[in-house]
Amino acid sequence: EAGVTQFPSHSVIEKGQTVTLRCDPISGHDNLYWYRRVMGKEIKFLLHFVKESKQDESGMPNNRFLAERTGGTYSTLKVQPAELEDSGVYFCASSPVAGPNEKLFFGSGTQLSVL
Amino acid sequence: DAKTTQPTSMDCAEGRAANLPCNHSTISGNEYVYWYRQIHSQGPQYIIHGLKNNETNEMASLIITEDRKSSTLILPHATLRDTAVYYCIVRLTPYGGATNKLIFGTGTLLAVQP
Repeated sequence: EAGVTQFPSHSVIEKGQTVTLRCDPISGHDNLYWYRRVMGKEIKFLLHFVKESKQDESGMPNNRFLAERTGGTYSTLKVQPAELEDSGVYFCASSPVAGPNEKLFFGSGTQLSVL
Repeated sequence: DAKTTQPTSMDCAEGRAANLPCNHSTISGNEYVYWYRQIHSQGPQYIIHGLKNNETNEMASLIITEDRKSSTLILPHATLRDTAVYYCIVRLTPYGGATNKLIFGTGTLLAVQP
């Protein structure tokens, strides 16, 4: 069974440019999460999808970040325009059912470098 | 969600048991204790979780004290591949589809020595 896959694994862009990160969850997993670790900080929650709906986007830092999950399958996270402080590793995770006993399966992340 | 306290780092000899402590003195009755780990350049990986009783799976054992204010993750026979940052997370797990995000702290860097 394929795990959570993220693309690209690395992205280097200049400040002001746009970048789109993609996450393919495990097939059949309705719950999809985005997390990120910026340099020197802890891993932080960004948002949670249940199928195609945003259940919780309280962790999104500002309106330069836009997450979508059309059709309830893969998800994209777009940063426009990117700023230096957006550099870090962006993780996607999925799970079949939220609630007690939920186990999140994480992808390997996308390393984003904004120069 | 309750806050957790873990040692910054620990060493363990290969083949020996690794015992990773976690304090969560403000845990409430309906909060679970979860453990994840992150091996370098990979995403976090679920290890084990529990509410009150001790738990064991193919990866590890989780020992929770009777008052639930602390717990210990045990890797029975540590290998070099177990070198990672281990996160102890206390998490409210509501029903009804509400988000129960993981709140990662700084974790414990476990270095397994040959």
